[in-house]
Amino acid sequence: DADVTQTPRNRITKTGKRIMLECSQTKGHDRMYWYRQDPGLGLQLIYYSFDVKDINKGEISDGYSVSRQAQAKFSLSLESAIPNQTALYFCATSVGGARNEQFFGPGTRLTVL
Amino acid sequence: GNSVTQMEGPVTLSEEAFLTINCTYTATGYPSLFWYVQYPGEGLQLLLKATKADDKGSNKGFEATYRKETTSFHLEKGSVQVSDSAVYFCALSERETSGSRLTFGEGTQLTVNP
Repeated sequence: DADVTQTPRNRITKTGKRIMLECSQTKGHDRMYWYRQDPGLGLQLIYYSFDVKDINKGEISDGYSVSRQAQAKFSLSLESAIPNQTALYFCATSVGGARNEQFFGPGTRLTVL
Repeated sequence: GNSVTQMEGPVTLSEEAFLTINCTYTATGYPSLFWYVQYPGEGLQLLLKATKADDKGSNKGFEATYRKETTSFHLEKGSVQVSDSAVYFCALSERETSGSRLTFGEGTQLTVNP
């Protein structure tokens, strides 16, 4: 089984709908991250969490919210989806420290019509 | 703030050709540097890393050397294979100013033809 899982893998929704993307990990890592990938822009950090009680905004948090329900679960919500939120979304985990790699989930492809 | 700049893609090579993907960075402190690879339909996975100046990271025939004097971390491979076709991301992490968050470059699409 994959260490970092994301659900759903694909989602098509309409403008104005509320959407939740879920991430679960079995790696036992404290740190979890949500990224957005757009073609030609690399990955941009939306939110990150260093533990259950520590949630921080990233570079592009507007229009998004998160919930860290447990050490292993980190959800991303779009309260009212808009077309320019169409993108590939990745969850990642890591242990602490700048030298340590992040482990990525397979991604969720979200299309907002 | 921190930033990473990669050479523009896409890059198309023939099998067994030499590969270089340039990466330069801007950071205020002493970052760790990474190359991640994204195969089609998958998430990113770590290819190699270097945590201090003059370190060389290597994996699967790929290499990159942390050059503090030129603020660079160029990715090289002597002989690419079709299976190396993927998107490659350079990234840095700096605990002092970013809490160990990763800053990514734009990604470089590599296609290797047989």
